[in-house]
Amino acid sequence: AQRVTQPEKLLSVFKGAPVELKCNYSYSGSPELFWYVQYSRQRLQLLLRHISRESIKGFTADLNKGETSFHLKKPFAQEEDSAMYYCALNKAAGNKLTFGGGTRVLVKP
Amino acid sequence: NAGVTQTPKFQVLKTGQSMTLQCAQDMNHEYMSWYRQDPGMGLRLIHYSVGAGITDQGEVPNGYNVSRSTTEDFPLRLLSAAPSQTSVYFCASRIGADYGYTFGSGTRLTVV
Repeated sequence: AQRVTQPEKLLSVFKGAPVELKCNYSYSGSPELFWYVQYSRQRLQLLLRHISRESIKGFTADLNKGETSFHLKKPFAQEEDSAMYYCALNKAAGNKLTFGGGTRVLVKP
Repeated sequence: NAGVTQTPKFQVLKTGQSMTLQCAQDMNHEYMSWYRQDPGMGLRLIHYSVGAGITDQGEVPNGYNVSRSTTEDFPLRLLSAAPSQTSVYFCASRIGADYGYTFGSGTRLTVV
């Protein structure tokens, strides 16, 4: 069974400080990993896919298969980064996206 | 190109009533899914489809039915609403493997 764990429910940082959101997964095969962001009362938006290795809004995430992690990082947090962030896993070529419980990020001025 | 459209945005039901949450996408995506979002629990998969005529159960399917008669539409039916089904429901679609999912704006359902 696939499982995604986001150990922090809330991260509070000051503007300009680095922020790292942890994501650990359990899956025996080759996973697809995603980060989604949900701003207040809006729909989920795709932030990153591990397969594309891109940087969006200054965020990056590296897949570490040895540690089964896909942590999300940003070196300098902005107030507009305040949102709910979800890590999600899909088995390769599958259609059962499994979400973690989410981490709320609050960036203080 | 409207993306993924969900209706209604809000709904209040009485226990025992039935209703259908609508989801439509105009991107010719094969894969569609329904999720419910509850505080502290993230999003949980209810049902999903990999193409017209093909559906399967997700993590929490009890009390819900789906059908996929066309590529565009993937309605979710609540058979007999219960207070435990009070949640925000999201529909999502994607074109296929290696692509991210596009989400609808959600339906906020309250069962009293």
